[in-house]
Amino acid sequence: DAGITQSPRHKVTETGTPVTLRCHQTENHRYMYWYRQDPGHGLRLIHYSYGVKDTDKGEVSDGYSVSRSKTEDFLLTLESATSSQTSVYFCAISETEGTDTQYFGPGTRLTVL
Amino acid sequence: AQSVTQPDIHITVSEGASLELRCNYSYGATPYLFWYVQSPGQGLQLLLKYFSGDTLVQGIKGFEAEFKRSQSSFNLRKPSVHWSDAAEYFCAVGARNTYKYIFGTGTRLKVLA
Repeated sequence: DAGITQSPRHKVTETGTPVTLRCHQTENHRYMYWYRQDPGHGLRLIHYSYGVKDTDKGEVSDGYSVSRSKTEDFLLTLESATSSQTSVYFCAISETEGTDTQYFGPGTRLTVL
Repeated sequence: AQSVTQPDIHITVSEGASLELRCNYSYGATPYLFWYVQSPGQGLQLLLKYFSGDTLVQGIKGFEAEFKRSQSSFNLRKPSVHWSDAAEYFCAVGARNTYKYIFGTGTRLKVLA
């Protein structure tokens, strides 16, 4: 299994509070991704990174920001959490671009009350 | 528009029966096709992928998929399902010069003993 960890694995927070989710990899892969998974929607890309300090938006980026200061860490921040951001969040990594296998972390279940 | 369609939200089969999960895609570029499996509470794991060459692709756990360009399909098959195959299955498509996949909405498989 690819070395990907996500923290925390579960979090309950209140509307309006900031939340940061962390993805850590030990594979030295260049590309990292944040997805959210919701029933009926499959996985939707929030943000991705193609190198240290190089990030871009995905299809559902509103309300989210990311940072990548080191190859191994990719942070997802909800500046002011809303109930619509209750979801399961997955981090993924890949060695090369969109034609390559993506390896997924175990997920973080976030509940915003 | 680029899209991936998995027409079956739920499928139920008996243990030992054959299985086919459908995936249709609409993609302007040459597609790179993937099937992933997600067990409850877990991240996604790659079953198989198609880039080029032989249109029948073998994967892990006894799964195979056939790429049919004329039908824009990449259906997943297994000749004899085991109870441990109960999970959610996702089809995804990627392409060169893009950083991201497009995922289908998933098919949840239930296996009857």
